[in-house]
Amino acid sequence: KNEVEQSPQNLTAQEGEFITINCSYSVGISALHWLQQHPGGGIVSLFMLSSGKKKHGRLIATINIQEKHSSLHITASHPRDSAVYICAVRRAQKLVFGQGTRLTINP
Amino acid sequence: DGGITQSPKYLFRKEGQNVTLSCEQNLNHDAMYWYRQDPGQGLRLIYYSQIVNDFQKGDIAEGYSVSREKKESFPLTVTSAQKNPTAFYLCASSPTAWQGNYGYTFGSGTRLTVV
Repeated sequence: KNEVEQSPQNLTAQEGEFITINCSYSVGISALHWLQQHPGGGIVSLFMLSSGKKKHGRLIATINIQEKHSSLHITASHPRDSAVYICAVRRAQKLVFGQGTRLTINP
Repeated sequence: DGGITQSPKYLFRKEGQNVTLSCEQNLNHDAMYWYRQDPGQGLRLIYYSQIVNDFQKGDIAEGYSVSREKKESFPLTVTSAQKNPTAFYLCASSPTAWQGNYGYTFGSGTRLTVV
C-alpha cells in the first residue's frame, strides 16, 4: 500500500460541477501539499496545509490530521481546470507523492 | 521573476550515453531536489541537496549522479548505468530542507527519451 493514496484516479465532469479529490496518508506528517500539473508537465503549488482549511479563488483545501485525510474541492469547475492534481505529504526532509488524479472538465 | 529553469524541455539520447539535465534557480533557496515521474506513478526522489557542496541519495539514486557547486545550480547526470532512463524529470527547490512550513517551487521538467 502506498503511503499516499488519492481517489479517484480519473475524474471527468461537466463544466460548472463541484469537484472533490481525496487524499489519504498513512504516516505522520508536518505538512500536506496540493499541486497541479498541466499537460506540458510543469507543476504549480496550489496549497500547503498543516491544519484546517485554505481557500484560493474557486479552490478549497481541507485537512483532518486525526483521520490522516485531505480533500481538494473545486467550485464552478471550468475546462481550464483540466489537469492532474497531486497530493504530497512532507515527512522529515522529503515529500512523498500520491499518484495523482487526472481531472477532465468538459464544456 | 524568480523561479526554476530546467533545460532542455525535450532530450533524446542514444542508449549507453550519459546525459546531463540542467536545473537553475534564482530564488536563493538552500534546498534543491530531483524527481522522476513515470506514467501512472507518483514522483520519486532521485537526489536532494540541502546546501552547497552537499547532497544525499533519494529513493531511486542508482544510475544517477549530481553536483552542487553553486547554490543556484543542481545538474543531474543520467548515466549509462541507469537501466530505464526514459522518463520525465522534475527539479524543485525550497527555502530550506529542515523542519518548518515552507513551500516548494517546481521547474517545468525535462522529458528524456533514450532510443
